[in-house]
Amino acid sequence: EAGVTQFPSHSVIEKGQTVTLRCDPISGHDNLYWYRRVMGKEIKFLLHFVKESKQDESGMPNNRFLAERTGGTYSTLKVQPAELEDSGVYFCASSRTKRRRVQETQYFGPGTRLLVL
Amino acid sequence: DAKTTQPPSMDCAEGRAANLPCNHSTISGNEYVYWYRQIHSQGPQYIIHGLKNNETNEMASLIITEDRKSSTLILPHATLRDTAVYYCIVRTYNFNKFYFGSGTKLNVKP
Repeated sequence: EAGVTQFPSHSVIEKGQTVTLRCDPISGHDNLYWYRRVMGKEIKFLLHFVKESKQDESGMPNNRFLAERTGGTYSTLKVQPAELEDSGVYFCASSRTKRRRVQETQYFGPGTRLLVL
Repeated sequence: DAKTTQPPSMDCAEGRAANLPCNHSTISGNEYVYWYRQIHSQGPQYIIHGLKNNETNEMASLIITEDRKSSTLILPHATLRDTAVYYCIVRTYNFNKFYFGSGTKLNVKP
């Protein structure tokens, strides 16, 4: 079974540019999560999709960040326009849903390292 | 907010057992204890989780105290490849997001 994959592995952009990160969850996982770690800080939750719907986006830092999951498969996270403080590692995770909406274990991808210059 | 407290770092000799403690004194009855680790710059890797009983899998054992206010992750025979940051996370069974905290940096030495 293939794990969570993320693309690109690294991205270097200039301040003001746009970057789109992609996450492919494990096949059959309805739940998809985005997290990020900015320099020197802890890993923080950004948002959670159940299929194509946003279940919780309380961690999204501001309206420069837009996440989508059309069709309930892969997800994209767009940062537009990127700022210096957006630099960090963006992780995606996925999990199945069991009975009575019980979440199963989250499995993480390798992350995308974003550097905004 | 992270509901756990872990030491910032620990050392362990290769081949010995590594015992990583975690305090979660405010844990509720329906909250699970999860352990993940992050090796170098990779994504967090799931290790084990438990509710009340001790758990064991091919990677580690999880010992949860009877009052559930603390737990210990045990790597029975640590190798150099186990050097990583280990995160203890408390999570409700139907609550989606993980709060990672600062974790424990385990250094396995030859």
